[in-house]
Amino acid sequence: QSALTQPASVSGSPGQSITISCTGTSSDVGGYTYVSWYQQHPGKAPKLMIYDVSNRPSGVSTRFSGSKSGNTASLTISGLQAEDEADYYCSSYTNSGTLVFGGGTKLTVL
Amino acid sequence: QVQLQESGPGLVKPSQTLSLTCAVSGGFISSGDYYWSWIRQPPGKGLEWIGYIYYSGSTYYNPSLKSRVTLSIDTSKNQFSLKLSSVTAADTAVYYCARETLYYMDVWGKGTTVTVSS
Repeated sequence: QSALTQPASVSGSPGQSITISCTGTSSDVGGYTYVSWYQQHPGKAPKLMIYDVSNRPSGVSTRFSGSKSGNTASLTISGLQAEDEADYYCSSYTNSGTLVFGGGTKLTVL
Repeated sequence: QVQLQESGPGLVKPSQTLSLTCAVSGGFISSGDYYWSWIRQPPGKGLEWIGYIYYSGSTYYNPSLKSRVTLSIDTSKNQFSLKLSSVTAADTAVYYCARETLYYMDVWGKGTTVTVSS
């Protein structure tokens, strides 16, 4: 199972919006509504930010939103803040019954 | 609030078996509402899902690791474990345990670093 494809890095200024893409195939992202997103600060464990494509766990800021079109899922962060600077990973259920992660995207807040 | 804590040797010799345990507190592993997973992250790299175990003992493994991985669960101790055999330097990573609600991980342990070296 190949890793999902994410851009290596994205950047934005405080207050702006950014979008991170996550591209898979019809065997994973395109075939199911089971895409999740995780935020990871350096030296810390990942934190769930979005599940089932567009649902936010309790306590996650409404500035984080998720969507999907075809084989590509997206995470959008609006009103960018310095604390959002982190690595972001997408994950999807696959038709093999496994979970696969993206390679990760480093978000820099300028 | 559920918390997970990994434990085990930080250094394992090549060809040996890596063994880690994840202790669960604040909730019962036998509740049946969740699956219990392991994920790893090599230094400077991305996340890799290793597999999950259900309280009944049923398991599901990443096909790329299936031949070397064994997950087990001890409901009496409220913990679950990972064994990875025939390790090489490529198995050096931070290993995380997590609570999985199909198909996402909503609670993670802090992670434990395992280095494979002679």
